[in-house]
Amino acid sequence: AQKVTQAQTEISVVEKEDVTLDCVYETRDTTYYLFWYKQPPSGELVFLIRRNSFDEQNEISGRYSWNFQKSTSSFNFTITASQVVDSAVYFCALSEAEAAGNKLTFGGGTRVLVKP
Amino acid sequence: KAGVTQTPRYLIKTRGQQVTLSCSPISGHRSVSWYQQTPGQGLQFLFEYFSETQRNKGNFPGRFSGRQFSNSRSEMNVSTLELGDSALYLCASSGNQRNTIYFGEGSWLTVV
Repeated sequence: AQKVTQAQTEISVVEKEDVTLDCVYETRDTTYYLFWYKQPPSGELVFLIRRNSFDEQNEISGRYSWNFQKSTSSFNFTITASQVVDSAVYFCALSEAEAAGNKLTFGGGTRVLVKP
Repeated sequence: KAGVTQTPRYLIKTRGQQVTLSCSPISGHRSVSWYQQTPGQGLQFLFEYFSETQRNKGNFPGRFSGRQFSNSRSEMNVSTLELGDSALYLCASSGNQRNTIYFGEGSWLTVV
């Protein structure tokens, strides 16, 4: 069965520091999809990135970057030069291709607190 | 383009009552999924509907049910509410299988 583990429950940093969030996943599928979502206090899950298992190219988008490594089953996320507005809970999620539909399995989330 | 819309945003119910939550997906999206989020269990998949048919189901009791209408709007119903049903219920929509999945702001349910 699929599983997503976010070992860090909470990270506290001072503004402008970099923050790296770890995500480790387990799946038997050879094709799968990985996601990162941000959840501010309002509750909405805001989509950040989607990565296919056959695309290991890492990506940078503004202050965000992602490091996908199939060899270690990890999909880590880094916020560069953090800002107070980055304070939120971040979730890593997995969707398996062999399972019908769009079921997501989430990690437990990492709460990021950026202090001014 | 409007996002995923959920109503109501907040509600309080009494044990034993039933509740219906509504979700309007992004225009053109045919897949609607529901998730329950609690501090103890985290985010858990309830079920998914695609073209009015349930395509996936999580491990929840039969008190939790859902449906999807021809315009892709979806409702979920929880009967005989228990205190443990207090949670944030999130709806998500997607254009097709394996597409990006977008979430609404959620419905905060408190059972007293």
